[in-house]
Amino acid sequence: EVVLTQSPATLSLSPGERATLSCRASQSVSNFLAWYQHRPGQAPRLLVYDASKRATGIPDRFSGSGSGTDFTLTISALEPEDFAVYYCQHRNNWPPGYTFGHGTKLEIK
Amino acid sequence: QVQLQESGPGLVKPSQTLSLTCTVSGDSISRGVFYWSWFRQPAGKGLEWIGRIHTDGDTNKNSSLMRRVTISLDTSKSQFSLELSFVTAADTAVYYCARTLPNSYYYMDVWGNGTSVTVSS
Repeated sequence: EVVLTQSPATLSLSPGERATLSCRASQSVSNFLAWYQHRPGQAPRLLVYDASKRATGIPDRFSGSGSGTDFTLTISALEPEDFAVYYCQHRNNWPPGYTFGHGTKLEIK
Repeated sequence: QVQLQESGPGLVKPSQTLSLTCTVSGDSISRGVFYWSWFRQPAGKGLEWIGRIHTDGDTNKNSSLMRRVTISLDTSKSQFSLELSFVTAADTAVYYCARTLPNSYYYMDVWGNGTSVTVSS
């Protein structure tokens, strides 16, 4: 089963700054990787899938890149509502299921 | 627009069975081809996949929970359900239901807001 490692665990930035979040897979996952935003008390929100495709309605300040084992989520200029926890996720072929990283908390500096 | 809403008791006693329902609104649960999943998140921890059910009734479960998990689909009520038996304090978490992207089983694009479940006597 693939293990996803996210870094850093916490990222402290100011609104307007650029955020770069990392997700590393224990083995190649090709481009089968997604990113979610999770605000407290809310539903997780799909941001990016297939490593670089933005989900419906997601602002273009969010972008994903990478393939194989190393992936990045970039937020070009942080808005106040972007401060949340971000998870990367992969689907396992066998046994079938879904694996998440432990998350990166993006907090206001 | 499809929406999901979890419901169920917020408190369950140890060794009993946790039962949750996810109600699908805005579209029929039997229209299209999707996987409908359950996830959970203990306080201070990450998201854990519990299991899923396909529109055709096929199920897959997390191997660590498999013996205790039952997932079912009720198309007449546009609902799917989770039963987790022999619960312990370790099962205390916020539970979410979710649906996969259309034409992709890999990612979840619609989620419920979650329901908090505490296991305690």
